[in-house]
Amino acid sequence: DIVMTQSPDSLAVSLGERATINCKSSQSVLYSSNNNNYLAWYQQKPGQPPKLLIYWASTRESGVPDRFSGSGSGTDFTLTISSLQAADVAVYYCQQYFSSPQTFGQGTRVEIK
Amino acid sequence: QVQLVESGGGVVQPGGSLRLSCATSGFTFSNYGIQWVRQGPGKGLEWVAFIRYDGSNKYYADSVKGRFTISRDDSKNTVYLQMNSLRPEDTALYYCAKASGGYCTGGSCYSDFWGQGTLVTVSS
Repeated sequence: DIVMTQSPDSLAVSLGERATINCKSSQSVLYSSNNNNYLAWYQQKPGQPPKLLIYWASTRESGVPDRFSGSGSGTDFTLTISSLQAADVAVYYCQQYFSSPQTFGQGTRVEIK
Repeated sequence: QVQLVESGGGVVQPGGSLRLSCATSGFTFSNYGIQWVRQGPGKGLEWVAFIRYDGSNKYYADSVKGRFTISRDDSKNTVYLQMNSLRPEDTALYYCAKASGGYCTGGSCYSDFWGQGTLVTVSS
């Protein structure tokens, strides 16, 4: 199984500042034949189900604010919140869907400093 | 709008059985795979099972293989998860989620819509 490791486990950021979450996979999730990275990001607020933010490592889901962006390739990925808002307090998960079983990172909790 | 509504959770003794349901609406059900993902108390997300758009292939996590069965009824736009031989470690909030595609090689897809979940507690 591909192991997904996120860092940090939690971070506190001031309102309006940048938040950066890293995700590392134990093997590449880049499919060379189509040059796609099989990596998604989800946001989960307390008491709510996960919400899809990003897929194919950098494609923003419809309706997701453009302060959220995804980057990276191969085994190293980043979710960036460019200007943290109070509504962004949540746990964020990365997920690989390159191979079965699909696997998730352990989550990163984002709070307001 | 896309909706997924889970039901069927509850408290069950170890070794018991439950059947979860996921009723869907707002999209062409027969075109998409559906999967179950669970979240233990205070824990992260764990994929459980996937069924293809036409029910032709089903995939399971090793932790539930041989005990859980996923199925779908296109006439009701509903997916089921039959859970047998339940263990305390199966205690979790079970989400059903619409897969991003119908095919999903090996059952691996991202999920673009999720239900609110149904709670399963396995305890004596």
